[in-house]
Amino acid sequence: QLQLQESGPGLVKPSETLSLTCTVSGGSISSSSYYWGWIRQPPGKGLEWIGSIYYSGSTYYNPSLKSRVTISVDTSKNQFSLKLSSVTAADTAVYYCARQLRVAANEWFDPWGQGTLVTVSS
Amino acid sequence: EIVMTQSPATLSVSPGERATLSCRASQSVSSNLAWYQQKPGQAPRLLIYGASTRATGIPARFSGSGSGTEFTLTISSLQSEDFAVYYCQQYNNWPPLITFGQGTRLEIK
Repeated sequence: QLQLQESGPGLVKPSETLSLTCTVSGGSISSSSYYWGWIRQPPGKGLEWIGSIYYSGSTYYNPSLKSRVTISVDTSKNQFSLKLSSVTAADTAVYYCARQLRVAANEWFDPWGQGTLVTVSS
Repeated sequence: EIVMTQSPATLSVSPGERATLSCRASQSVSSNLAWYQQKPGQAPRLLIYGASTRATGIPARFSGSGSGTEFTLTISSLQSEDFAVYYCQQYNNWPPLITFGQGTRLEIK
């Protein structure tokens, strides 16, 4: 059974870079069938897609965050990572990683990691 | 950017009754729509993809319908474990962008 687990600091200072890693177990991140995505959820609010990556390193990002986001993959460790620069309090959220399926023009996320809360505060 | 609007924001239904949740896209997304269920303190769980295909392990009481700009998630007979927040999600081919609706909270009446 595929499982994803987010890890990284729970507290980041304003203007610094948020860094998270998602470790995939029970399956290979190098599968040609899937992308891998990051989604976030501010406390008490809805879901926002951040960006996605293929095992080859191909990425696409939410235009609203693109200037600050970098997603990378390490196939040797079965991990992919998120970096979000110049964070502010508005970036405080639960960050989820998820496997992303792309079939024709359809895309959806399944399964999701449990999520990790990142707070931006000095 | 395609905007997804869910209605109502909150829906109060009694156990055993039918619940109907709506999701409207600001422009056509064909059938490129998914539905998720999220319970407090948990990650979202995929229910429906391709507007009407149930994900693996999802009970038959959950069904999705619609295409273009109007979509519906129906829960035929509500069980206690179904009370949660539900989100729709679309994918737009160009520019490539995934967006979620703001969610519908399904609560016990």
